[in-house]
This record gives sequence, C-alpha cells and structure tokens, in this order.
Amino acid sequence: AQSVTQLGSHVSVSEGALVLLRCNYSSSVPPYLFWYVQYPNQGLQLLLKYTSAATLVKGINGFEAEFKKSETSFHLTKPSAHMSDAAEYFCAVSVNSGNTPLVFGKGTRLSVIA
Amino acid sequence: NAGVMQNPRHLVRRRGQEARLRCSPMKGHSHVYWYRQLPEEGLKFMVYLQKENIIDESGMPKERFSAEFPKEGPSILRIQQVVRGDSAAYFCASSPDSINNSPLHFGNGTRLTVT
Repeated sequence: AQSVTQLGSHVSVSEGALVLLRCNYSSSVPPYLFWYVQYPNQGLQLLLKYTSAATLVKGINGFEAEFKKSETSFHLTKPSAHMSDAAEYFCAVSVNSGNTPLVFGKGTRLSVIA
Repeated sequence: NAGVMQNPRHLVRRRGQEARLRCSPMKGHSHVYWYRQLPEEGLKFMVYLQKENIIDESGMPKERFSAEFPKEGPSILRIQQVVRGDSAAYFCASSPDSINNSPLHFGNGTRLTVT
C-alpha cells in the first residue's frame, strides 16, 4: 500500500523567501503524486501533478515540485513567498490503477511573515 | 460550470441523531470520493463511488456509516446515531474518470458538529 509523509506540520517563512515543503512517499509501484492547497474553510485545490512525464513539474501560483525516485521525494518549492501563499498544503499519492483512491499526507501549514 | 457542491456547509446534530451530507459532483463527473478531515490528521479516504455502484469502501467505518450515488441526484453520505467522535469536516471530490487521467475536484466540505 502507498503512503505519504510530510515533514513538518508547520513551516514559517518571511515574505520573499524560498518556500520548501517536504514530501516523501512510499509505493511499491510507480506512483502518481499530487500537491493540493487548502485555504481556510475551503476545499482542496490542485497545485500540480506528477504522472511520470517530466520529473520537474510546474504548477499554479509559481509552485513547482521535483520527483526524485532515488530519494522517494516530491518536495514542493516556490522561489519567493507571497502573503497569499499562507494555507495548508497536502501531498498525495496514487498508483496506476483506475480504482485506487488518493492517499493524503497530514498536511503542512505554511505561514508567511511580512 | 459549477464546481463540486456540498451541502449543508455546517451541520449540528445531537448525539444519536442522523446526519445526511450531500454532494453534487461537477457536471459530467461520474466518480465521487468522500474524505474525512480531522485536525492535525489530514484527509482520510472513506469511500469511492461511481453511479449506482460502490467501488471501494475500505475507509468507511463498519457501522453507522453508509454512502450512495444514485442514478439521479447527489451522492449522500449518511451517518446514523452520531457520536461526538464523528465531528469533523467531510469533503466530497469528483472526477470524470479514474485518478490516473484526471485530478480530483473538491467541494468546500460539510463541517459536522455533534453536541
């Protein structure tokens, strides 16, 4: 069975600083990997998705993530944090099987300090 | 094109009552997923349905919880005889086909409070 571990339940960065949110996955077969963002009292929105095409995936709002098989990682980055990036971020994994639901990590809350 | 619609947004029930949570998927989506979110625990998968069929209910508690997605109308997550531990945010997501090809689109959730 696949699983996801997000290191750090809370990350705080200054506005304009680099954002790095960590995600490690466990899967016995090639995974599909996702990052979602959740703003307060809202549902989750897809930031980006890895599906075995390019290892560096670009998403919305300037975020990107790099799939590293050797490290079983899919860390999310953004060069310069903006106040509007403050939210909760979830990493999720699925496998190449049509009926397999997404498995989510516990989430990382990102705070951006002015 | 309306997104995934969940109602009610907030639901308060006393212990022992029934809770019914509704989810209308995006137009053209025939796959529905229900997740439960507790503070500090992320989202836990509950059940995956396609029209009139339950595909995977491995995350559903064995008792008191049921889900359906009829041919017509919204998907319903039903919790009978609610207890305080059922208090959580319940999210519905939909996709037009399997996750491999299409990401999930989430509703804004129903926040259930059991008093």
